[in-house]
Amino acid sequence: QQKVQQSPESLIVPEGGMASLNCTSSDRNVDYFWWYRQHSGKSPKMLMSIFSNGEKEEGRFTVHLNKASLHTSLHIRDSQPSDSALYLCAASGTGGYKVVFGSGTRLLVSP
Amino acid sequence: GPKVLQIPSHQIIDMGQMVTLNCDPVSNHLYFYWYKQILGQQMEFLVNFYNGKVMEKSKLFKDQFSVERPDGSYFTLKIQPTALEDSAVYFCASSLLGSAETLYFGSGTRLTVL
Repeated sequence: QQKVQQSPESLIVPEGGMASLNCTSSDRNVDYFWWYRQHSGKSPKMLMSIFSNGEKEEGRFTVHLNKASLHTSLHIRDSQPSDSALYLCAASGTGGYKVVFGSGTRLLVSP
Repeated sequence: GPKVLQIPSHQIIDMGQMVTLNCDPVSNHLYFYWYKQILGQQMEFLVNFYNGKVMEKSKLFKDQFSVERPDGSYFTLKIQPTALEDSAVYFCASSLLGSAETLYFGSGTRLTVL
């Protein structure tokens, strides 16, 4: 059964600091990765997607993907208190229909 | 951005009763999903639906669960009968062309089974 593992479970970083979150899939058929952000009591919203090896940057957010190891990471620089949320990694594969989520990393940015 | 609407936002029912959760997906989206989230943690996949059919479902999608979207109206999740362990927030999501696309989530229905 496809599993998506995220680490750490929780993370505290100071305001202005760098947050680094990790995600690995156990399914070799996975081709697509997303990072979603879910603020408390709200619905998840897609933050970034990555489908090819390498790195992608959007503002303060950078994602990396290594398809050989099925590992992706999300880095948030200059973290802000508004970045405090549950970060969910999601993965899906070609020919499949479901999108599987990891258990999330709860990020707290302390002012 | 694209909006997915879920009705109701909260539902409290007694164990054994039937409940129907309603979702109005993004208008041009073709794939629909239900997820279950307990205590604000892992988003667990339940089922996805395309062209009037269930395409894939998880072990959490018990025999008491069913989904349908009659005549392009609401995409519904029905649980009959409900059990205590069904208490959770249920999120509906839709995507344009399937699992290689971004999911757009509704705001969730908080179901409490007493």
